[in-house]
Amino acid sequence: NAGVTQTPKFRILKIGQSMTLQCTQDMNHNYMYWYRQDPGMGLKLIYYSVGAGITDKGEVPNGYNVSRSTTEDFPLRLELAAPSQTSVYFCASSSTDEVGDTQYFGPGTRLTVL
Amino acid sequence: QKEVEQNSGPLSVPEGAIASLNCTYSDRGSQSFFWYRQYSGKSPELIMFIYSNGDKEDGRFTAQLNKASQYVSLLIRDSQPSDSATYLCAVRARGAGSYQLTFGKGTKLSVIP
Repeated sequence: NAGVTQTPKFRILKIGQSMTLQCTQDMNHNYMYWYRQDPGMGLKLIYYSVGAGITDKGEVPNGYNVSRSTTEDFPLRLELAAPSQTSVYFCASSSTDEVGDTQYFGPGTRLTVL
Repeated sequence: QKEVEQNSGPLSVPEGAIASLNCTYSDRGSQSFFWYRQYSGKSPELIMFIYSNGDKEDGRFTAQLNKASQYVSLLIRDSQPSDSATYLCAVRARGAGSYQLTFGKGTKLSVIP
């Protein structure tokens, strides 16, 4: 049982380039989330999904897009990379929206935009 | 705007002492409260959650919740050097979007051998 996996672990992009951050979970969770964490800051929600085909914006969605075609996968797309998108990106999942339900985090992708 | 505030620290305690980590939140409709531990360069991992007023104990960890004061804390007894990490407080709202968590910036704890 791998839990939540993310690829790549590290990436350097040039300004204006595009890339997709991959996220896969094998726990059959309906809810999935993308966060970014800047140095010394808490996690900010970028996008989330409550099931296949359903996505919605979080607190900081500008510059990102997502899709959810299967229960397992929730990729995050950066179309025109900017230095402000330099951050560590975490994907997470949870099974329900019940009180106390836990979000499980992937290992993160460290992205630098130069 | 829902806010979660934590003292950024660093909080330094000697090995074997009690570490006390605090968190306040702005949304009175918040439903449940989580403490995550994050080692440097790693992803957050859940320590415990609480949703009723009072104390909840799990091993060396005790979470305390006071909804009237909008305050939640984490006590770590018999602190060990391996407890040195950043502790993130997260709050979950009630109602629509209740599965979304709002995180504080975290408190960095250093346990001195």
